[in-house]
Amino acid sequence: NAGVMQNPRHLVRRRGQEARLRCSPMKGHSHVYWYRQLPEEGLKFMVYLQKENIIDESGMPKERFSAEFPKEGPSILRIQQVVRGDSAAYFCASSPPPRGTDTQYFGPGTRLTVL
Amino acid sequence: SQQGEEDPQALSIQEGENATMNCSYKTSINNLQWYRQNSGRGLVHLILIRSNEREKHSGRLRVTLDTSKKSSSLLITASRAADTASYFCATDFAGANSKLTFGKGITLSVRP
Repeated sequence: NAGVMQNPRHLVRRRGQEARLRCSPMKGHSHVYWYRQLPEEGLKFMVYLQKENIIDESGMPKERFSAEFPKEGPSILRIQQVVRGDSAAYFCASSPPPRGTDTQYFGPGTRLTVL
Repeated sequence: SQQGEEDPQALSIQEGENATMNCSYKTSINNLQWYRQNSGRGLVHLILIRSNEREKHSGRLRVTLDTSKKSSSLLITASRAADTASYFCATDFAGANSKLTFGKGITLSVRP
């Protein structure tokens, strides 16, 4: 059973471009979480999704950021018109149903650098 | 802020010694989890302790939880150089929709 997969592992974008980060949860997991980690900091929650539903997006910036978890395919975190402050490591985690009260399994992360 | 806080911020010990790391939080939790992160890598789950549990063991790891003091400790016994990493506690707050709130982490260095 493969772990949580994220791609790309490293992404470089210029200011104003779009960044798309992908996350494939572990097999059988229907809960996906996105977190952001700034240098020398802990992870900060961004959004919690189940298939085709956003459950909690209280950690998402109001503008430029969006997330989806379609019925088929990976979860996508999309950042439009990136700025230098978006440079960070973005981690995806998944957990099994029913409610995600148990261990969250993390992917290796996508390190976004905005030039 | 609901953010957990770990202490110390950094810990340096000799191989073979025990390492104790602490975490405090502010509101009621469903569970508390400890993770390890090697430099530039993802997070590895170490252990989960639920709010109705007081102590758990996993190999060389021992975690305690004191809900009256809102604190937890992670003990690594007989440390190894490979234990060198950052350690984070993460809390699943009651009513928080199972999202985890992380502290800033503890940097552990184990000298060979």
